[in-house]
Amino acid sequence: QLVLTQSPSASASLGASVKLTCTLRSGHSGYAIAWHQQQPGKGPRYLMKVNSDGSHNKGDEIPDRFSGSSSGAERYLTISSLQSEDEADYYCQTWGTGGVFGGGTRLTVL
Amino acid sequence: EAQLVESGGGLIQPGGSLRLSCAASGFTVSSKYMSWVRQAPGKGLEWVSVIYSGGSKYFADSVKGRFTTSRDNSKNTLFLQMNNLRAEDTAVYYCAALDTEDYTAFDSWGQGTLVTVSS
Repeated sequence: QLVLTQSPSASASLGASVKLTCTLRSGHSGYAIAWHQQQPGKGPRYLMKVNSDGSHNKGDEIPDRFSGSSSGAERYLTISSLQSEDEADYYCQTWGTGGVFGGGTRLTVL
Repeated sequence: EAQLVESGGGLIQPGGSLRLSCAASGFTVSSKYMSWVRQAPGKGLEWVSVIYSGGSKYFADSVKGRFTTSRDNSKNTLFLQMNNLRAEDTAVYYCAALDTEDYTAFDSWGQGTLVTVSS
């Protein structure tokens, strides 16, 4: 069964960098995933797709501060030069026999 | 630019029915895999349904047999018909479109419409 695992929370200081992780269940390390941002009180926003080879394709108008990478079954979202508006929930997502979401990571900007 | 606008949410009693709409612009709904995704209060995102460009439909086990999805190509609109609603169906419902590169990522989202199932 295709499952995505995320840590429930993360924190980092204003201006610093943070790396969020999404782990694919064993046997599914070849899957691409997408990252979505959900700011408080808003709907999800597509950030980028991260492929198994580490390449990534960002959505429209996504700042250069956001980047993606990959290692084995792990897919990463790195946010550099953290800003207050980056405080949000971040979800990874892929497609199997239907949509599959990770549980989300709540990022706090200190 | 792709845009999705949901409507039709509201307060409904358990056992009732509701139809949600999702009006698309900037692309045609018939050309993309279109999904509904929901988010219960304080919870994460849950996939609900998909209608493929060819017309096949699939549903999450939690809604199978109670929900159906369709589209009106002339209106470029996606629908979610929800029957026999339960309290656990209370959520914000989003429509979303899958990318056409490799059908992996939801690359367009609506703003959501709130459905509250309560007596």
